[in-house]
Amino acid sequence: SQQGEEDPQALSIQEGENATMNCSYKTSINNLQWYRQNSGRGLVHLILIRSNEREKHSGRLRVTLDTSKKSSSLLITASRAADTASYFCATVSTGNQFYFGTGTSLTVIP
Amino acid sequence: DAGVTQSPTHLIKTRGQQVTLRCSPKSGHDTVSWYQQALGQGPQFIFQYYEEEERQRGNFPDRFSGHQFPNYSSELNVNALLLGDSALYLCASSPGGPPYEQYFGPGTRLTVT
Repeated sequence: SQQGEEDPQALSIQEGENATMNCSYKTSINNLQWYRQNSGRGLVHLILIRSNEREKHSGRLRVTLDTSKKSSSLLITASRAADTASYFCATVSTGNQFYFGTGTSLTVIP
Repeated sequence: DAGVTQSPTHLIKTRGQQVTLRCSPKSGHDTVSWYQQALGQGPQFIFQYYEEEERQRGNFPDRFSGHQFPNYSSELNVNALLLGDSALYLCASSPGGPPYEQYFGPGTRLTVT
């Protein structure tokens, strides 16, 4: 079974708008990572946030982590058509297993 | 520097057959993980290899087995194929040690008819 659950399942926005997607998980984690997947191909790592961190930035990406609520959010600012993809959160436990969520499908309309 | 490579890209097999998928990790990476991704779902962890040993295993039957070679490349074998094994199989590599980010290959699309 998959530990993470992304919300919403699908998101459609206009180019230039911000996109926010959320991830909830069930057990304690070592870190949480976000990945992007284009058209059913390989996943690309976006950002990693450790369990003792609350917020992290990378370019147009902002990730927050609330371990008390067992949730994380990914914000993509000033979205572009090229951001159209599926986004997955992956929780990593001390056992070094990665558990991926079901993903959010983002469509950015030019 | 080559990233993670997988072969073949696509594969069509018949129920009951056996299949072998191959993966070469990114240069400098010694840990290889395999995932199964059904259509519309997230990747599900199959197992992870480190130093030629299976280090972690997900909830997959024994029909799924693997191997890691001294050069860190890896194979995924699936016996007695079922229709439900149709999926995208992803290989990911990472350096050993703490759970760092994983680098994924493009995947092998397996169709079982």
